[in-house]
Amino acid sequence: DADVTQTPRNRITKTGKRIMLECSQTKGHDRMYWYRQDPGLGLRLIYYSFDVKDINKGEISDGYSVSRQAQAKFSLSLESAIPNQTALYFCATSDPNSGQGETQYFGPGTRLLVL
Amino acid sequence: QKEVEQNSGPLSVPEGAIASLNCTYSDRGSQSFFWYRQYSGKSPELIMFIYSNGDKEDGRFTAQLNKASQYVSLLIRDSQPSDSATYLCAPRRTASKLTFGTGTRLQVTL
Repeated sequence: DADVTQTPRNRITKTGKRIMLECSQTKGHDRMYWYRQDPGLGLRLIYYSFDVKDINKGEISDGYSVSRQAQAKFSLSLESAIPNQTALYFCATSDPNSGQGETQYFGPGTRLLVL
Repeated sequence: QKEVEQNSGPLSVPEGAIASLNCTYSDRGSQSFFWYRQYSGKSPELIMFIYSNGDKEDGRFTAQLNKASQYVSLLIRDSQPSDSATYLCAPRRTASKLTFGTGTRLQVTL
């Protein structure tokens, strides 16, 4: 079954550490997204990519970087983690030609705690 | 003014009743509107999308859109305990980007 997967599912790290969250998809979608979700603030877009060579900042990209290694893989890095980056992180994909309003499909999420 | 406003709830309805979830948005350039359901600790999943003024029905769910009033709603008929979740409204503006509201938490009571 075509799917969006994220690794790790849970991660605890310390302030100042570099960490990477990974997203893979078997849906064949060109477009991929990274969001974070905080209580009371909803989902906020960090970065998005329309293909391997097209990467764009979202509304809250400071402190984050991304890499689109292939159509199916999109990684999010925290160069030097800080406690206010503690959040639930979601990867999503979409297909503009799907005829479903370009629905975004979400991975299961990564729960990150920065101490 | 927030780009997308939803009452955070909780909205409590008895089983079998109609639940009405509302969303207002500020960007008149929004072209289509998505409703996602999110169970606690889980990822959002699509319930419906709508892009034309009026109503769109899918099973027990009806989405209503009024672009002039910048208002979109989701009605859930015959509410079930399994409908208890947070419902996220997400208008799409341009370049495939969605702007999510903070969600309304729905509780369906027995």
